[in-house]
Order: sequence, then structure tokens, then C-alpha cells
Amino acid sequence: DIQMTQSPSSLSASVGDRVTITCRASQSITRYLNWYQQKPGKAPKLLIYAASSLQSGVPSRFSGSGSGTDFTLTISSLQPEDFATYYCQQSYSTPYTFGQGTKLEIK
Amino acid sequence: QLQLQESGPGLVKPSETLSLTCTVSGGSISSSSYYWGWIRQPPGTGPEWIGSIYYSGSTYYNPSLKSRVTISVDTSKNQFSLKLSSVTAADTAVYYCARTSLGGLLDYWGQGTLVTVSS
Repeated sequence: DIQMTQSPSSLSASVGDRVTITCRASQSITRYLNWYQQKPGKAPKLLIYAASSLQSGVPSRFSGSGSGTDFTLTISSLQPEDFATYYCQQSYSTPYTFGQGTKLEIK
Repeated sequence: QLQLQESGPGLVKPSETLSLTCTVSGGSISSSSYYWGWIRQPPGTGPEWIGSIYYSGSTYYNPSLKSRVTISVDTSKNQFSLKLSSVTAADTAVYYCARTSLGGLLDYWGQGTLVTVSS
């Protein structure tokens, strides 16, 4: 299985901050990397697919980059509704696997 | 607007079989562009992909669960189902159904249903 490792595991930030979350794959996954946002008691929501494509309806302050094994999710200016847990997921090969999550908290 | 809804028992006894159904509305499960999948999330941890099925019945399973998992589809009812046998407390989780688009992205999810394994 391809292992996905996110860093940091948790992050404190303020409204308006620029935030970057990193995801590393245990082998090359080219650009088969997706990012999800999850709020308590809710299903994950797709934000970014294919490493850098913004899912329809997702604000443009979210962006993704990377290829191969190293990827980043950037939120350019944090809004109150962005405080949540973020997961990366590789879809290069089955079994699809997720990172352990990054919990973004209000400072 | 596509919607997915999980249904099934919230409590299952150890060694028994967990059975869940996902009903798809607002779109056809027979679309050639999508797979339909199950994902679970134990409390406090990240999601785990269980497996996916195509409308034709072809399936992909997580090897870690393959010996205990069966996913099936009923196109006449626009539903697909999950069976997980010989459950233990480690199978306690929120179970989600989701649409899998080309490239493996999970773009529509059900709200999730908590299944607890306990006697």
C-alpha cells in the first residue's frame, strides 16, 4: 500500500493567515493526489483533485501543488469557516489511502 | 443534485455481519463514468477506503479487508451495498458511501452512519 504522511498533524492560525499543509507519498503517485476538508460530524468534502485542480464551488483561496511524492495545500487567507481537519488521499493505485489528517485550529 | 444516503443497523454484535445500503438519488448509478465506493472512519482517525463497485458489478477491495468484504449493486433500485463479515470492535466506525470519479477522487459523499460493534 502507498503510505501518505501529512505534516503538521495540527496547526494553530489566525483569520487572514496564509497556511500550508504538506503531504508526502511513500512512492511516486504522479499527480493522483486529492485534498479533502472535514468538519466535526460531517463527511469529508473534496477541495482539490489531481494535485492542483479546484473542485467546483470551492473558494479560490484554496490551492494545491506538487507532483511525484511531495504535495502542498495552501489556504491564502484563512476564513472562520476554514477551521477544520484536512486530509490528502492518493488515487494512483488501489487501495486508495489517506493521510492521517491535519487539524487546523484557531489561534 | 446528486445525493447519497446510507442505511442499516447502528449496532452489530461481534462475529456477525455488518450490512449497509447506499441509495443514490438525483443521478443514475448506471453511469459509465463512475464507481461507487465505501469508506469508513474509526473515531478520531483518518478515513479508510474499503472498496468500490462499477454498475456492471466489477469490484475493487482493500486487501486488508478483502476476505470479509462484499460490495454489490442493484441498478434497478439505484443502490449499492456493503457486507462485512465476522466483525469485531475494531470495525466500529462511521461508514460512508461515496461516488468515485475518473482519477479516483471521491466527489460526492453520504452523510455517514455510525456502526458500533458490541454485544
